[in-house]
Amino acid sequence: GAVVSQHPSRVICKSGTSVKIECRSLDFQATTMFWYRQFPKQSLMLMATSNEGSKATYEQGVEKDKFLINHASLTLSTLTVTSAHPEDSSFYICSARDMGQGTLWDEQYFGPGTRLTVT
Amino acid sequence: KQEVTQIPAALSVPEGENLVLNCSFTDSAIYNLQWFRQDPGKGLTSLLLIQSSQREQTSGRLNASLDKSSGRSTLYIAASQPGDSATYLCAVGAQETSGSRLTFGEGTQLTVNP
Repeated sequence: GAVVSQHPSRVICKSGTSVKIECRSLDFQATTMFWYRQFPKQSLMLMATSNEGSKATYEQGVEKDKFLINHASLTLSTLTVTSAHPEDSSFYICSARDMGQGTLWDEQYFGPGTRLTVT
Repeated sequence: KQEVTQIPAALSVPEGENLVLNCSFTDSAIYNLQWFRQDPGKGLTSLLLIQSSQREQTSGRLNASLDKSSGRSTLYIAASQPGDSATYLCAVGAQETSGSRLTFGEGTQLTVNP
């Protein structure tokens, strides 16, 4: 089955620093990837849609200058949290859409998530 | 704006019991609906995906139904096991130009007691 990886799985950083999270589709090409955040005991909230070779589309209320998204290839999207603050501490999950032939069309495959803690 | 609600928020059952998790959505113009499982501190595992033209999908002990007109979906788990303990998330896909985007419910936290 389609596999999506995220790196790192867990990161602790100091307030004011920047953190980069990678999302990779391992065995399929993904023209579209999605970034979500999840607070404890809450559901996933879509932050942005990342399209290969173009600018990301951000959801209302998400600061695009704070959460930089780059989708430079068909298998890699990155999320950079700039000038992180404690309130950015959360679980970040990416997903990738496999539009290939012979697959369950339009199904999203999710990564294992990255736990970010800002101290 | 699509809103997805899952009931109950938490459920505790003895091993072996059959159970039903409920999901409702406000906008019936959906593209598809997915049920996921999430273990604590982990990512999502896709369980079942139902396209808008389908009424149900089955995988092993799991059966998901979809009634688009009433805005409802159910996930039926037969003969529950302690390993089924997890949070179950329902997500509704809305059609966009390049495919669908998902709106998630708050989830049902299931505990199956041995």
